[in-house]
Amino acid sequence: QQKVQQSPESLIVPEGGMASLNCTSSDRNVDYFWWYRQHSGKSPKMLMSIFSNGEKEEGRFTVHLNKASLHTSLHIRDSQPSDSALYLCRTGNTGKLIFGLGTTLQVQP
Amino acid sequence: EAAVTQSPRNKVAVTGGKVTLSCNQTNNHNNMYWYRQDTGHGLRLIHYSYGAGSTEKGDIPDGYKASRPSQENFSLILELATPSQTSVYFCASGDFWGGGGQLYFGEGSKLTVL
Repeated sequence: QQKVQQSPESLIVPEGGMASLNCTSSDRNVDYFWWYRQHSGKSPKMLMSIFSNGEKEEGRFTVHLNKASLHTSLHIRDSQPSDSALYLCRTGNTGKLIFGLGTTLQVQP
Repeated sequence: EAAVTQSPRNKVAVTGGKVTLSCNQTNNHNNMYWYRQDTGHGLRLIHYSYGAGSTEKGDIPDGYKASRPSQENFSLILELATPSQTSVYFCASGDFWGGGGQLYFGEGSKLTVL
């Protein structure tokens, strides 16, 4: 069964610091990786997606993808307390869409 | 943004009772999903659907049934609720073309089975 592994399980960074989150899939058929953010008590919201090797930047958020190793990483620069949330990685193009367990990010003022 | 509406938002049920969680989407998405979220388990897929009349088993379908009577509606049915089914349930919808696509979530339904 395909799995999505995320690390670290939790992360604490100071306000203004850099947060780096990782995600790896065991399914070699995966083409897309998605990152979602879920604030406490809320539903997950899509953050970014990537399907090509390399990196993609949107504001303070950068996503890297290495398709050979099926590894993606999310980097948040100038982290803000409002970035404190559960970050979920998702794979799958249709049908079964599988999520990792997530990384809980806490940004300390 | 796509609208996905779940009802009820909160439900307390008794063991052995029947529970129906409803989901409605107004964006004409083909695919709909039911997940449950528990601490330490992330989002786990229960059932999903490719369109009206279609239901497929996800990773944890035991104890759950699903129904997709129309493009807009997707229900999750617990015929005999058990305390282990206490959880937060999320419905989601999306269209997937060319390999990629967004998934939109409802606000969640918190179910407590006593």
